[in-house]
This record gives sequence, structure tokens and C-alpha cells, in this order.
Amino acid sequence: NAGVTQTPKFRVLKTGQSMTLLCAQDMNHEYMYWYRQDPGMGLRLIHYSVGEGTTAKGEVPDGYNVSRLKKQNFLLGLESAAPSQTSVYFCASSTRLAGGPHNEQFFGPGTRLTVL
Amino acid sequence: QQQVKQSPQSLIVQKGGIPIINCAYENTAFDYFPWYQQFPGKGPALLIAIRPDVSEKKEGRFTISFNKSAKQFSLHIMDSQPGDSATYFCAASISGSARQLTFGSGTQLTVLP
Repeated sequence: NAGVTQTPKFRVLKTGQSMTLLCAQDMNHEYMYWYRQDPGMGLRLIHYSVGEGTTAKGEVPDGYNVSRLKKQNFLLGLESAAPSQTSVYFCASSTRLAGGPHNEQFFGPGTRLTVL
Repeated sequence: QQQVKQSPQSLIVQKGGIPIINCAYENTAFDYFPWYQQFPGKGPALLIAIRPDVSEKKEGRFTISFNKSAKQFSLHIMDSQPGDSATYFCAASISGSARQLTFGSGTQLTVLP
């Protein structure tokens, strides 16, 4: 199993350009998440999804949109990139089952995005 | 508003030392407290986790100490090794909230050989 994969690994955008980050998981997880990681600020939740066709806002949703058309995929879109969106983006997934090891979130390797 | 405060920001210890990383939380509804380990260029990975009904949990060389009344928890790494050099994040979540994790700001640990 590949776990959680992210595409692309690196990207450089100019201000105002748009792009989509793709996250895929092969663990049949119901929950999926998008985080951004900035120096000294830990990971902050952008959007999340509790199932196919459903999404919800996290802590820092402004400037981003998401879609979950298939259970295994979670897309993060930037419609008009800004330098403040320069960050490392991580996708994660977890099962809906509760308790013990089921609480773990599994993270992808990240996408490093630079907006000039 | 940072709901989980982590300290120190960086930590350097000698091999065999016992680094301690501390976290404090504000929301008393949190009921799951994991620690994640992140190596450069990789995503975070779960290291160890605790629920507030216990005061301590050990897994190998890693121990979480939990103080519910003080709303604090800490990670201790016994007999630290250079391979433990990584960034460590504490986090907290509430059951039934789609497992949303609130992360601390991270501690960069360096273990010198």
C-alpha cells in the first residue's frame, strides 16, 4: 500500500495563478484533511472532509477551495495564489472508526509551494 | 488563538540525554493528545498518544506524562539517539469532531553524537 500520496512535490507559482493539489489515499479512509505548515506555527487545518461529497472549513480556509468527488481523493485548489500562501501543504487521512489506533491520522509527504 | 502551546522551540542534547518537550492546552474538551515526529522532507508520523484518563504512557524510549488539572502534557525521550533528531509536534483533538487536530508550534530536537 502506498498510504497517502501527494502531487506535485514542488511548485512555483506567480501571484494570481491558480493550481490544484491532489491527495490520494489507498487505505479506504473516510476522513481526509489538508494542512499547511509554516515555520514556528505548526500545522494548521485548512479544510477537511468526513466523506465523499462533503467538505468543511478548518482553521485557515480563506483563499482555498476543496473537493472530494471520490472517497480516495481530496483536492485542494488555489484560485488566485498570493505570496502569503507560500507554505508546505500536507494531506492526511484517518478512519471513521473510533478508539485506540483508529484515531491516528496518516500524513502524505507534502507539497512545497512558493508563490512569487 | 493558539489553543496548544509548545515549548521549547528548539532543543539540543547529547546522546543518552533525556530531552523533555512540554505542551499546554486551553480547551478542556480535548480528550486525545498525540505526539507526531517529523523528519526533514517527510510528513509527520504518529509517535505516541494518550487519553486524559491516564497520567503516563510509555512506548519504548518515549513517555508521555499528562497532568489533567494543570492542562499540561509532556514528551520524554529516554536514552536519546542521533536518529531521534527531528521536529516533534504535540497535538490535541476532541472525539466526534472528525478527528480535527490542533497542533503545537513544534520543537526541533538535535541529539549530538
